[in-house]
Amino acid sequence: AQKITQTQPGMFVQEKEAVTLDCTYDTSDPSYGLFWYKQPSSGEMIFLIYQGSYDQQNATEGRYSLNFQKARKSANLVISASQLGDSAMYFCAMRESETSGSRLTFGEGTQLTVNP
Amino acid sequence: DSGVTQTPKHLITATGQRVTLRCSPRSGDLSVYWYQQSLDQGLQFLIQYYNGEERAKGNILERFSAQQFPDLHSELNLSSLELGDSALYFCASSVRSWTSASSYNEQFFGPGTRLTVL
Repeated sequence: AQKITQTQPGMFVQEKEAVTLDCTYDTSDPSYGLFWYKQPSSGEMIFLIYQGSYDQQNATEGRYSLNFQKARKSANLVISASQLGDSAMYFCAMRESETSGSRLTFGEGTQLTVNP
Repeated sequence: DSGVTQTPKHLITATGQRVTLRCSPRSGDLSVYWYQQSLDQGLQFLIQYYNGEERAKGNILERFSAQQFPDLHSELNLSSLELGDSALYFCASSVRSWTSASSYNEQFFGPGTRLTVL
């Protein structure tokens, strides 16, 4: 079964508008972490934001925020005031119990295009 | 620039050959992770080393092997290459970071090595 599901292969947004990229996950581990990474066309993976399963507040980093709904097992990324440079592939990832290392399991990604 | 270096950037080789990918983690980072990104499989975890010891193993083929050396650099060896091994191979290293309620390993990815098997 898919552990990380990103149901939006592609998303389009107008510059300066907000956009939400969806991510749902599946785990029975009470301790886990959720990550979002950005991969521009140049190929590098850029860490954006992290949410721990025990964190009470939703994570925020600048224009990025994570809408964490634990009961629904969703961890959606919200990008506010989109910029042309936000056009990229976005990956949601999960780290389960650290007793088995800190491997990340990635979703299939969402290609975001910001239109001027 | 994440501080993680990978060489070479591009590698073109033939089926049946053997290649070695090299990774230098950020200064002071003890953990190294290898990931493979392909069109078929997406991004998947291969293996993790911590201070020279294997820490976790993912979907790594028996034809692939890795090691981490005393200076903490790591090498991923791919042998008997097949067309399906063509992919972008990432190395990452991690540092401990904290939120208000938890800590986690923030992974910094290198630029990747793009392997093409012809």
